Amino acid sequence: DQQVKQNSPSLSVQEGRISILNCDYTNSMFDYFLWYKKYPAEGPTFLISISSIKDKNEDGRFTVFLNKSAKHLSLHIVPSQPGDSAVYFCAARGQTGANNLFFGTGTRLTVIP
Amino acid sequence: ETGVTQSPTHLIKTRGQQVTLRCSSQSGHNTVSWYQQALGQGPQFIFQYYREEENGRGNFPPRFSGLQFPNYSSELNVNALELDDSALYLCASSLQGFNTEAFFGQGTRLTVV
Repeated sequence: DQQVKQNSPSLSVQEGRISILNCDYTNSMFDYFLWYKKYPAEGPTFLISISSIKDKNEDGRFTVFLNKSAKHLSLHIVPSQPGDSAVYFCAARGQTGANNLFFGTGTRLTVIP
Repeated sequence: ETGVTQSPTHLIKTRGQQVTLRCSSQSGHNTVSWYQQALGQGPQFIFQYYREEENGRGNFPPRFSGLQFPNYSSELNVNALELDDSALYLCASSLQGFNTEAFFGQGTRLTVV
């Protein structure tokens, strides 16, 4: 039972344009959402997060939007750079306080120079 | 400040054997979580340790067990290895509490033959 879904396995974007990565979830008890970036042969690196009490969080070129009614979040990268090419994972955490994360299957972003 | 380190980086085991993977948490972090990432999938939560006690467990059989030591480092033990246990095993450390990010190690690639 996949509680966090990333339906696009891959995305290609031209350098300088906007990258939009999408994520859907099914569990309304999730209260905290995170995006991780993963390069080959490395562990996931934390990118940005958002609490369920907010609908937007911005950090430099990265913005995460949360639509609780639709159980949907998205990551916007503007402008996209070739170094952003990686696999991006959406993750969600329940309210148990155990801090375990439910991950999506990832979206491979390729930024074309 | 040291990051999360895992050892070994790669390992090949035979079906039926036992394996121990190790993780040193980031300085100041008191919680360690273990995840299994199969090929083409997102990381799946195995269990979490906080103050040397198991603090949450995912849908993994009892042959997956763990330990956390007083210095917050951790071990993941897998008995009676099966071919399907072949995966990247990720350790993540965090500070117990809400809205705290988990920081991942580079992972241990386990191959069961």
